[in-house]
Amino acid sequence: GAVVSQHPSRVICKSGTSVKIECRSLDFQATTMFWYRQFPKQSLMLMATSNEGSKATYEQGVEKDKFLINHASLTLSTLTVTSAHPEDSSFYICSALNLNEKLFFGSGTQLSVL
Amino acid sequence: AQTVTQSQPEMSVQEAETVTLSCTYDTSESDYYLFWYKQPPSRQMILVIRQEAYKQQNATENRFSVNFQKAAKSFSLKISDSQLGDAAMYFCAYRNSGNTPLVFGKGTRLSVIA
Repeated sequence: GAVVSQHPSRVICKSGTSVKIECRSLDFQATTMFWYRQFPKQSLMLMATSNEGSKATYEQGVEKDKFLINHASLTLSTLTVTSAHPEDSSFYICSALNLNEKLFFGSGTQLSVL
Repeated sequence: AQTVTQSQPEMSVQEAETVTLSCTYDTSESDYYLFWYKQPPSRQMILVIRQEAYKQQNATENRFSVNFQKAAKSFSLKISDSQLGDAAMYFCAYRNSGNTPLVFGKGTRLSVIA
């Protein structure tokens, strides 16, 4: 089956630093990827839609200057949390859409900001 | 905007018994997909079952089956012969056709009692 690799799986950083999370579709091309955020014991909330070669579309309430998304190739989207603060601590998970409109999830990244 | 409602925050079932998880959704679209995802403690999103709205036949995957009532906008999941490994969070999700994201319900935590 299709595989989406997300890296790192866990990251701890100091407040004020930036963290980059990568999402790769390993065996298919993904023109569209989605980034979600999940707080403890809550559901997945869509942050943004990442389209290859164009600007990401952010959901209402998500700061685009804080959560930078780059989708420079058909197999890679990155989410950079800039100037991270403790309230940004969360589980971030990506998903990628293949050409048959099937969606595949990465394994997620737990971000802890000290 | 589409919404997904899961009215059961928690459910429990005896091992080998059957349990049904409820889900309703709201949409004005006619072409869409519905899903049930399982999220174990690892937080990996695991697709349990998928239903295309244009198909009248209810989807089944081994012990998992759905009751899809399109007019009522209801999409319940039945787990038969429950196993200890079925214990997890279960999310109902909706997606329009095309390059669109999943919209998730709040989830139901299922416990399986030995």
